[in-house]
Amino acid sequence: IAGITQAPTSQILAAGRRMTLRCTQDMRHNAMYWYRQDLGLGLRLIHYSNTAGTTGKGEVPDGYSVSRANTDDFPLTLASAVPSQTSVYFCASSDSTGAGELFFGEGSRLTVL
Amino acid sequence: GQNIDQPTEMTATEGAIVQINCTYQTSGFNGLFWYQQHAGEAPTFLSYNVLDGLEEKGRFSSFLSRSKGYSYLLLKELQMKDSASYLCAPVNSNYQLIWGAGTKLIIKP
Repeated sequence: IAGITQAPTSQILAAGRRMTLRCTQDMRHNAMYWYRQDLGLGLRLIHYSNTAGTTGKGEVPDGYSVSRANTDDFPLTLASAVPSQTSVYFCASSDSTGAGELFFGEGSRLTVL
Repeated sequence: GQNIDQPTEMTATEGAIVQINCTYQTSGFNGLFWYQQHAGEAPTFLSYNVLDGLEEKGRFSSFLSRSKGYSYLLLKELQMKDSASYLCAPVNSNYQLIWGAGTKLIIKP
């Protein structure tokens, strides 16, 4: 049982480089989300997608982009990484676009130097 | 604005009971989630309250008072494996979860 798979689990990246964090789910959930988690702060929503073909901006979207070509995949791209994007990134999915339980991937730890 | 307030850290003894409080202010309200997150791991679902009152699920219970903007998570018969962070997350009118910074619970033998 896979659930949500994220890759890579950890990455060190030079500032200015482009990086894509991958997220795949096998639960056929319509809604998917990208969060970042920083010490002392709550999870912050970067982007979300309520269904394949649609995406929306969350609380902290600047510097990030997403796509949702199909139900299963929801990659997050940093076009030109900056040190403030050093964080742990979690992908999540839900079978509801309302107040549904979120299922999280194991996280991707990104360090931008 | 939207604001979540929960204690940063709490310490309790194995076998005891602990209550983790959460107060919130959100634009609209569509229920409140509690998640558990062990260090270095992903958050996992504990409970969801949408109506006032107490919901019990084994050793864990969650309470909600919508009029007071208040919820608590009650953990009974504490075990060492309960050492984790507990995240309070009310749902706003746009059905977005607004996450608190979490309460780190330390269980001592």
